[in-house]
Amino acid sequence: EAQVTQNPRYLITVTGKKLTVTCSQNMNHEYMSWYRQDPGLGLRQIYYSMNVEVTDKGDVPEGYKVSRKEKRNFPLILESPSPNQTSLYFCASSPRGTKFQETQYFGPGTRLLVL
Amino acid sequence: DAKTTQPPSMDCAEGRAANLPCNHSTISGNEYVYWYRQIHSQGPQYIIHGLKNNETNEMASLIITEDRKSSTLILPHATLRDTAVYYCIVRVAVDYGGSQGNLIFGKGTKLSVKP
Repeated sequence: EAQVTQNPRYLITVTGKKLTVTCSQNMNHEYMSWYRQDPGLGLRQIYYSMNVEVTDKGDVPEGYKVSRKEKRNFPLILESPSPNQTSLYFCASSPRGTKFQETQYFGPGTRLLVL
Repeated sequence: DAKTTQPPSMDCAEGRAANLPCNHSTISGNEYVYWYRQIHSQGPQYIIHGLKNNETNEMASLIITEDRKSSTLILPHATLRDTAVYYCIVRVAVDYGGSQGNLIFGKGTKLSVKP
């Protein structure tokens, strides 16, 4: 089944404790992206990646890092989480090239609480 | 900022057609109109997209005005499971390798389907 998976789905942590949220897709998509969703602010893009070893900042990149060493994986790293990073996070992927107008596929979400 | 304007909320009776409007008066000739929906904290789900012709799939129909400055998403027979936030997004169709293809979500329309 074509899908985007995220782990963990729920996470409670404390300020300053490094964490990684994993994202993996099995559709051989070139494009991957991370969003965060907060009440009243909607979905905002954090980082995106056009292909392996190619990443770029979205609208709200501060406090986050990403890497794209393999096509299927796009982990989101919080080096020193803070309470304002408490949010619902979504990973997404889509093909590039002539199929770029096709849909983006979203993962199920990761709910993060930073104390 | 999102390039679209949608009403914040709408109600629809179960079994009736739900017509969700969207204004995109600054749309460019190379931009498509996309519709996604998000059912309570799940990952956004693609519904339909179009350029200038009306489109229909198994989920919905998309009507785009001749001047392309507005569109309407039609759910022909709304069910309780269609209760969700619906996002109208404009996005380039061609992959130029930059950020033009990123999805920019606005606030969307919260559709409530009532029995």
